[in-house]
Formats: sequence, C-alpha cells, structure tokens
Amino acid sequence: QKEVEQDPGPLSVPEGAIVSLNCTYSNSAFQYFMWYRQYSRKGPELLMYTYSSGNKEDGRFTAQVDKSSKYISLFIRDSQPSDSATYLCAMIHTGNQFYFGTGTSLTVIP
Amino acid sequence: DGGITQSPKYLFRKEGQNVTLSCEQNLNHDAMYWYRQDPGQGLRLIYYSQIVNDFQKGDIAEGYSVSREKKESFPLTVTSAQKNPTAFYLCASSKLRGSGITDTQYFGPGTRLTVL
Repeated sequence: QKEVEQDPGPLSVPEGAIVSLNCTYSNSAFQYFMWYRQYSRKGPELLMYTYSSGNKEDGRFTAQVDKSSKYISLFIRDSQPSDSATYLCAMIHTGNQFYFGTGTSLTVIP
Repeated sequence: DGGITQSPKYLFRKEGQNVTLSCEQNLNHDAMYWYRQDPGQGLRLIYYSQIVNDFQKGDIAEGYSVSREKKESFPLTVTSAQKNPTAFYLCASSKLRGSGITDTQYFGPGTRLTVL
C-alpha cells in the first residue's frame, strides 16, 4: 500500500464549478500537509500548507484535514480556466522526507 | 528576488554520456532535494542533503550522483549507469525547523532531460 493515495483523474469541470480534490494516507504520524499546483512543464508551486485538523482558507482555495480519517481535501471555488493544472498533495511526518501523491489533473472548461 | 534556479531548461544527451544538472537557491534554506518526475508516477526522490558535505540516497539513487560543497548549490549528475534517464528533473529546497522537522519545500522550474 502506498503511503499517500491520490486519484489521478483526469477531472474536467465547467468554469465556475466547485472542485474537490482528495488524498488519503496510511501513516497516522503525518503532521504537516501541503497542496501544490503544477502547470505543464513547470515546477510545482505551493498553494496551501496546514498542520492541524480543520479548514484553512486562502481566497478561492480551502484546504481541509481530517486526521481521524487520514483524509485531506482541497476545494476550489468559482473555478477558472487558469486553474487547469495538476494538483499534488504532500505530507511530512517526523523526519525530513516528503511523501507526495501522484497528482490529479484538472481541466476547467470555459 | 529569492528563489530556486535550475539550468539548463532542456538538455539532450547521447547514450553513454554523463550530464550534470545545476540547482542553485538563494533562500538560505538548509535542505535541498532532487526528484524525478515521470508521467503517471508522481515525484520520486533521488537524493537529498540537509547540510553541506552530507547527503543521503532517496528511493531511486542508482545511476545518479550529487555533491553539496556550498549551501546554495546541489548539482545532480546523471551517469551512463542510469538505464532510463529521460525524465523531468526537479530540485527543491526547504528550511529545517528547530524541532528537526523540515518546513515546506519550494521547487525550481525543472530540467527536461532527453536521451537520444
């Protein structure tokens, strides 16, 4: 079983839709959780960084962490064509190795 | 303008040649990382380094080598022993917290290596 599981998609939604992206993990020692956005042929850029269970909001983006269920989500409100990218979840436990999901490809159709 | 730079953006190599990918950061980050990204496989860790003159193998280190002579620089050499080197290579860096846990990683723009 992989440490981090992420549905690869692809996911296609109309402009303005609410998008939900999800990752599950198996190791309860994970403490820090991140979401990255990666445009084609570019490096990933950090979108959200959370520590505790609950929600964190930044503009149209909301990151949700449920440690009891070992489940994290990223919600995108009012999705735009510029949101079309691959979204990677990542997490760290004690120590310094990152664990990444395989990424979900999102297309927002105008 | 702080950040991570990688060069070159595109690199072509003949079979049997070694090539070196450059990674430089001016963020004063302690740790640096090299990942390989292939379609559908996500990011796979090649090597990482937490301090100068020290580095550790990641999950797929065979056929690669690194050095960390300066805090700002972490070059990756893809040797002829790497059987399938064509991929997108990403460098990242992060600060280390006092607790020993790394802060989040920031990535460079990547180098696309193609073996001819």
